[in-house]
Amino acid sequence: AQTVTQSQPEMSVQEAETVTLSCTYDTSENNYYLFWYKQPPSRQMILVIRQEAYKQQNATENRFSVNFQKAAKSFSLKISDSQLGDTAMYFCASRPNSGTYKYIFGTGTRLKVLA
Amino acid sequence: DTGVSQDPRHKITKRGQNVTFRCDPISEHNRLYWYRQTLGQGPEFLTYFQNEAQLEKSRLLSDRFSAERPKGSFSTLEIQRTEQGDSAMYLCASSQPGGTGGNTIYFGEGSWLTVV
Repeated sequence: AQTVTQSQPEMSVQEAETVTLSCTYDTSENNYYLFWYKQPPSRQMILVIRQEAYKQQNATENRFSVNFQKAAKSFSLKISDSQLGDTAMYFCASRPNSGTYKYIFGTGTRLKVLA
Repeated sequence: DTGVSQDPRHKITKRGQNVTFRCDPISEHNRLYWYRQTLGQGPEFLTYFQNEAQLEKSRLLSDRFSAERPKGSFSTLEIQRTEQGDSAMYLCASSQPGGTGGNTIYFGEGSWLTVV
């Protein structure tokens, strides 16, 4: 069974600084997708970044990048130059590329960016 | 391109009543998902459809919950004989296989249910 674990319930970072959110997962699949989603307070969940497991290169999207360690089943999110608008819940998720198309989410990390 | 649309956004109901939520996915998406989220927790999988076929249903989903997607477009989630423990946000999401952004799940704004 797929599982996704986020061990940091809450984090804070000063504006303009860099922060890393941790995620580990467990899957028996060889090919799968990994995602980070952002859910601002009382707002819609939106995709931050995604990684396909067969790609060794770490995904980047502007200030957001991941450190994907397939052997360790680790998928951390780095936010550079943190902005006040980055304050949100961040969820890590995984989905295998065959069989079930079910997305499994972690319990989330609440990130607060401090002015 | 309109995103995933959910209705109603908020519902307050008395215990024992039935409620129904509707979801309209992104138009070209053939997969549609329902999740439940309680405060401070991650989305919890309930069920998903590929076109009109319900392919998987969580064991967490009791017999009081039923979902349909009759024509492979919009979907409804009905909760019968609501209980206070059903109070949560019900999230709908959709995705399409392959292509740019394929296999990425896109969420609606959610439907908040409060059972009193």
